[in-house]
Amino acid sequence: GAVVSQHPSRVICKSGTSVKIECRSLDFQATTMFWYRQFPKQSLMLMATSNEGSKATYEQGVEKDKFLINHASLTLSTLTVTSAHPEDSSFYICSAPQTSGWGDTQYFGPGTRLTVL
Amino acid sequence: AQTVTQSQPEMSVQEAETVTLSCTYDTSESDYYLFWYKQPPSRQMILVIRQEAYKQQNATENRFSVNFQKAAKSFSLKISDSQLGDAAMYFCAYLANDMRFGAGTRLTVKP
Repeated sequence: GAVVSQHPSRVICKSGTSVKIECRSLDFQATTMFWYRQFPKQSLMLMATSNEGSKATYEQGVEKDKFLINHASLTLSTLTVTSAHPEDSSFYICSAPQTSGWGDTQYFGPGTRLTVL
Repeated sequence: AQTVTQSQPEMSVQEAETVTLSCTYDTSESDYYLFWYKQPPSRQMILVIRQEAYKQQNATENRFSVNFQKAAKSFSLKISDSQLGDAAMYFCAYLANDMRFGAGTRLTVKP
């Protein structure tokens, strides 16, 4: 199946710093990618939809100035957590849809664990 | 807004037995996709099975099958001949314009 990578897999940073997380579709192009946040023992919550060549669409309650999304190419989307605080510590997952003759399937990256000290 | 409901926070099954995980959803769309994903302790989301809403035939993938009831907006997952490696969190998901997840069901497989 299709592969989506994320980098880094883990990051620890100090409060007030910014952290960039990359999401790449390795063997297919994705005009749209999705960013999720998952707290321990909870489900995935959609944060935003990343659109290649245009602005990201954010879910209600997600601060667009804090979570900057850039869809630089058809295979790369980045999420930058600006001025990170301990409450931003979470597991961040991206996904990219691949459209085939069988319709759409979402492929997920392995996730990035962010810890803000 | 689309919502996905998994009413079973936890389920347990004996190895080699069959278990069914429930999922209901709410939507006004007529064209959409439904998925079951498995999330083991590694937290990598693994696609288990998918169903196109326009297809009446229930999807099957080896030991995994679904019971898709479009009118009832129900999409349950049946795991046959359960194996120890099936133990994980299972998420039901709905995809139209974007993907929404249920709260998840933690499946335990007893040897």
